[in-house]
Amino acid sequence: KAGVTQTPRYLIKTRGQQVTLSCSPISGHRSVSWYQQTPGQGLQFLFEYFSETQRNKGNFPGRFSGRQFSNSRSEMNVSTLELGDSALYLCASSLALMAALKGNTEAFFGQGTRLTVV
Amino acid sequence: SQELEQSPQSLIVQEGKNLTINCTSSKTLYGLYWYKQKYGEGLIFLMMLQKGGEEKSHEKITAKLDEKKQQSSLHITASQPSHAGIYLCGADKLDLLSAGKSTFGDGTTLTVKP
Repeated sequence: KAGVTQTPRYLIKTRGQQVTLSCSPISGHRSVSWYQQTPGQGLQFLFEYFSETQRNKGNFPGRFSGRQFSNSRSEMNVSTLELGDSALYLCASSLALMAALKGNTEAFFGQGTRLTVV
Repeated sequence: SQELEQSPQSLIVQEGKNLTINCTSSKTLYGLYWYKQKYGEGLIFLMMLQKGGEEKSHEKITAKLDEKKQQSSLHITASQPSHAGIYLCGADKLDLLSAGKSTFGDGTTLTVKP
C-alpha cells in the first residue's frame, strides 16, 4: 500500500508570507503528527491530529497551525514566515493516537517538505 | 535540557565492523523508537521497544531497552555502506505530563567506509 505522501517536496517562500503543507497518511491511519527538523534544534514535535481533532501540541507559536480532514489528510499552515522557519517538515501517520497512554504506536514518516524562507 | 541524549554524535567505521549507538533518557522510559534517516529525507522506522529488557533484531541491527538505566542501545553487526545515515531515537511518553509530545534525540550520524 502507498506510504505517507507529503507535498510539495520543496518550497521557497519570502519572509512574511504564509505557507500550507499537505500530508496524506497511509490508508486506514487516523493519526497524523507533524514535526519540524532543523540542524540546530533537531526533530521537534509540532502537533498531532486524530479524527479531525488536534490532540496534542508542541511548544511552537500560534503561527503554526494545522487541520485534518475527514479522509485523514492533514494540512499544516505557517503564517508570517520567519527566516528561522526554514526547515524540513515531516509528517507521520499511525493507526492509533500516538499519545495513547496504554502504549506506543508505530508511526510511518513521509519524505518531508523542505521549506526555505528567504 | 535534552531529554533524550544520543552518543556518539557521529561515528565513522570500516565496513564489516560492529558498532553501538546509545540513547539515554533523563526521565523514565515507557518505550522507545529507533529510526534511520537519510539526509534531508523522511525517517524510516527500525524498531519499537516497549518493555524493559526487551531486545529486538532486524537483519543485522539489534536494539535493547534497559529501563533501570533509562537507556537503549542500537547495535549493528558487520556494518555495510547501506547502514550509513542518521540514527534517531524517539519516545512519545517520557512522563504523564508530556504524554503525546514526541521527543527525539539529536541523532547519530553513521559513516561506513568501504
